[in-house]
Amino acid sequence: DAGVIQSPRHEVTEMGQEVTLRCKPISGHNSLFWYRQTMMRGLELLIYFNNNVPIDDSGMPEDRFSAKMPNASFSTLKIQPSEPRDSAVYFCASRVREQPQHFGDGTRLSIL
Amino acid sequence: ILNVEQSPQSLHVQEGDSTNFTCSFPSSNFYALHWYRWETAKSPEALFVMTLNGDEKKKGRISATLNTKEGYSYLYIKGSQPEDSATYLCASPGGNTPLVFGKGTRLSVIA
Repeated sequence: DAGVIQSPRHEVTEMGQEVTLRCKPISGHNSLFWYRQTMMRGLELLIYFNNNVPIDDSGMPEDRFSAKMPNASFSTLKIQPSEPRDSAVYFCASRVREQPQHFGDGTRLSIL
Repeated sequence: ILNVEQSPQSLHVQEGDSTNFTCSFPSSNFYALHWYRWETAKSPEALFVMTLNGDEKKKGRISATLNTKEGYSYLYIKGSQPEDSATYLCASPGGNTPLVFGKGTRLSVIA
């Protein structure tokens, strides 16, 4: 079991650029979650999918953020245009209903 | 809005000491309570998923109890070691709804 795979591990880019974060959930997991780690709010849920369908995106901070899950094995989180305040660690996680949630190693994003 | 609270926010103990911390959650519509261990520069790692009132789970020196009627769970670490230093997160409710995480208890074990 390869676990939840996120890419890239680190991303440094200039403000205004488009950023795309990628996630491959564990095979067979039907729920996928995108989180942002901040000092103030800890692990902040951005959006989650059940069976590839977005269920709740109320945690997405602004219209600059969007997420897709075109199939059961892939999801993206896109920020366009990026701003320095978007700098954070972004985690993807997947789960099956009663089981523990598995997290990827995160993407450390720095917007200059 | 579901509110999961953890206390204390941080804790410093000497190596060999036993310690415990608390997670409180709404007791209504309870589904499950998750505990995670989060080491610096790593991702959260699942410790326990607890569903039944009175549940007690154990993994090595770490154990957890659950009281769903009053809405709290305790995590215990016996004989703390420096490698236990991490942030311990609890989360609820699970099922088809997303986990809401507490802000965690940051444990530092001093050798």
